[in-house]
Amino acid sequence: QITLKESGPTLVKPTQTLTLTCTFSGFSLTAGGAGVGWIRQSPGKALEWLALIFWDDDKRYSPSLKSRLTITQDTSKKQVVLTMTNMDPVDTATYYCAHSVGYCVRGNCYADPYFQDWGQGTLVTVSS
Amino acid sequence: DIVMTQSPDSLAVSLGERATINCKSSQSLLYTPNNRNYLAWYQQKPGQPPKLLINWASTRESGVPDRFSAGGSGTDFTLTISSLQPEDVAVYYCQQYYSRALTFGGGTKVEIK
Repeated sequence: QITLKESGPTLVKPTQTLTLTCTFSGFSLTAGGAGVGWIRQSPGKALEWLALIFWDDDKRYSPSLKSRLTITQDTSKKQVVLTMTNMDPVDTATYYCAHSVGYCVRGNCYADPYFQDWGQGTLVTVSS
Repeated sequence: DIVMTQSPDSLAVSLGERATINCKSSQSLLYTPNNRNYLAWYQQKPGQPPKLLINWASTRESGVPDRFSAGGSGTDFTLTISSLQPEDVAVYYCQQYYSRALTFGGGTKVEIK
């Protein structure tokens, strides 16, 4: 059974840096094709993809937020960490981490970056 | 970025009736070498995370009821609920994974009329 759980502060002040941790189980991020991503959802709004890290440590970022985001992985702890700098009230949202899969053929692995499994999300409020 | 536009924003359908949601991408999601469309559909019920329903534009995930079907190719896609059930009340999102920068549509809220 695959599970993901987000953790981090529920309240941050404007200009501060947010650090969120996704702790997962039931899969390995060293498995070829695997990925873990972060997606957020402002209250009453649509989903917004933020970042994605793959088994080979390839990283992708939302172009509009790239300068503020860093995604890293700790495979031994089965965790993926997202940092977002210079937080603003508009960044108030529920932040989800999610698992994507892929496949390997003849020694080459490929990611299929849609999200099969999601955490429950964590609400982060940005306010002074 | 590939922009994903869903329509309508919301729709109300009677129980047992058909609901159709549209998703249009600003560029083709069809990768011709493998003839696959890089599009997924999700269902999000109130207070819950999204749930993957469909990948590759038309492949239902295991356990998804067969009243959910999806199709389309290139830039135009649809998700259809053939006979709306009370548990289908949710917001539905499309997502493209063709480009390195992933994008979601704006969502379509499905309600009971």
